[in-house]
Amino acid sequence: AQRVTQPEKLLSVFKGAPVELKCNYSYSGSPELFWYVQYSRQRLQLLLRHISRESIKGFTADLNKGETSFHLKKPFAQEEDSAMYYCALRSNFGNEKLTFGTGTRLTIIP
Amino acid sequence: ETGVTQSPTHLIKTRGQQVTLRCSSQSGHNTVSWYQQALGQGPQFIFQYYREEENGRGNFPPRFSGLQFPNYSSELNVNALELDDSALYLCASSSATARNTIYFGEGSWLTVV
Repeated sequence: AQRVTQPEKLLSVFKGAPVELKCNYSYSGSPELFWYVQYSRQRLQLLLRHISRESIKGFTADLNKGETSFHLKKPFAQEEDSAMYYCALRSNFGNEKLTFGTGTRLTIIP
Repeated sequence: ETGVTQSPTHLIKTRGQQVTLRCSSQSGHNTVSWYQQALGQGPQFIFQYYREEENGRGNFPPRFSGLQFPNYSSELNVNALELDDSALYLCASSSATARNTIYFGEGSWLTVV
């Protein structure tokens, strides 16, 4: 069974401080991992995916298969980063089903 | 801005009633998925449709059913509504052949009283 765990429901960080949102997963195969973000009153949107190995809005995430983790990081938090962040997993074959974690609400303190 | 649109945006139903939610997929996307997001939870996969056939289902009872039409628009139907069905229902579209990004609509807020 697929499972995604985000241990922190709430995270507050000062502007300019580093941010790390934790995500651990459980899956027997090789999954695709994603981070989705939901800003206030906006739809859920893709922030980044592990296979792209890119940095979006200063955020990066590295897939660590040994620790089954996909933590989201940013070296210097900005006020506009305040949002709800969801980690999600998709199996590497079959349908497009995403398994989401429960989300972390990130608040950047000015 | 994505091309996934959902209707209605908000609705209130009474326990035992039936509801139909609608979704128009992004152009060129032949796969549509529906998710239920209860308050304080992440989205939960209900089911997926590809070429008008169900192609995967989550842990939801049969009173949750769906349709996908030739133009790739979709409906989610819920019968015999229960109070716990109150949630945000999200539609997501993607191209199964390309396995590219999954785009979400803004959702339909359903309140069951």
